[in-house]
Amino acid sequence: GNSVTQMEGPVTLSEEAFLTINCTYTATGYPSLFWYVQYPGEGLQLLLKATKADDKGSNKGFEATYRKETTSFHLEKGSVQVSDSAVYFCALRRGETSYDKVIFGPGTSLSVIP
Amino acid sequence: EAGVTQFPSHSVIEKGQTVTLRCDPISGHDNLYWYRRVMGKEIKFLLHFVKESKQDESGMPNNRFLAERTGGTYSTLKVQPAELEDSGVYFCASSEQRLSSYNEQFFGPGTRLTVL
Repeated sequence: GNSVTQMEGPVTLSEEAFLTINCTYTATGYPSLFWYVQYPGEGLQLLLKATKADDKGSNKGFEATYRKETTSFHLEKGSVQVSDSAVYFCALRRGETSYDKVIFGPGTSLSVIP
Repeated sequence: EAGVTQFPSHSVIEKGQTVTLRCDPISGHDNLYWYRRVMGKEIKFLLHFVKESKQDESGMPNNRFLAERTGGTYSTLKVQPAELEDSGVYFCASSEQRLSSYNEQFFGPGTRLTVL
């Protein structure tokens, strides 16, 4: 079946450190891939997406590249800030229909300390 | 434009009681989804409405859960009777109904349900 695996936290980094959160997926066909973020006290927000192989999604300094050969979509940021503290969810959507359900990974909690 | 709203933000009930969660999607969005995150695990799909019709309810855990979307606007999710394992965060999302390769799902803030 379709599934998403991501490194489980919590992850604690110092401000300006480099961030990588690994994500791999299992899916049939050609899924779309997403990173969602949930800041404390807020709802889920779409952080970035990639809809086909080799696409790079980017937003707010975060990047992730759709790697079909390794079935991965790792999230990276060169210099994290305290305001990046949140829970990050890797996710996929199968893509057969434009309104298909989203399948999430377990989430990675990130704490950035000054 | 208002986003997806959910009510209440937090509910604490005792085992065996009934709770009803409400979701108001973005105006004009025909697709409405319910998800939940239990015990800090992954967020799991519960069901999907297209307007007032249930398109996919494969994720509903059992018959204690009843979702409705009368009139194709807001939706309610009732848990009756609630059990301890129902505790978690319930998310609602909505999206447009367009024939394109990508329709973003916009998520609400979630309802945190605690069953004691």
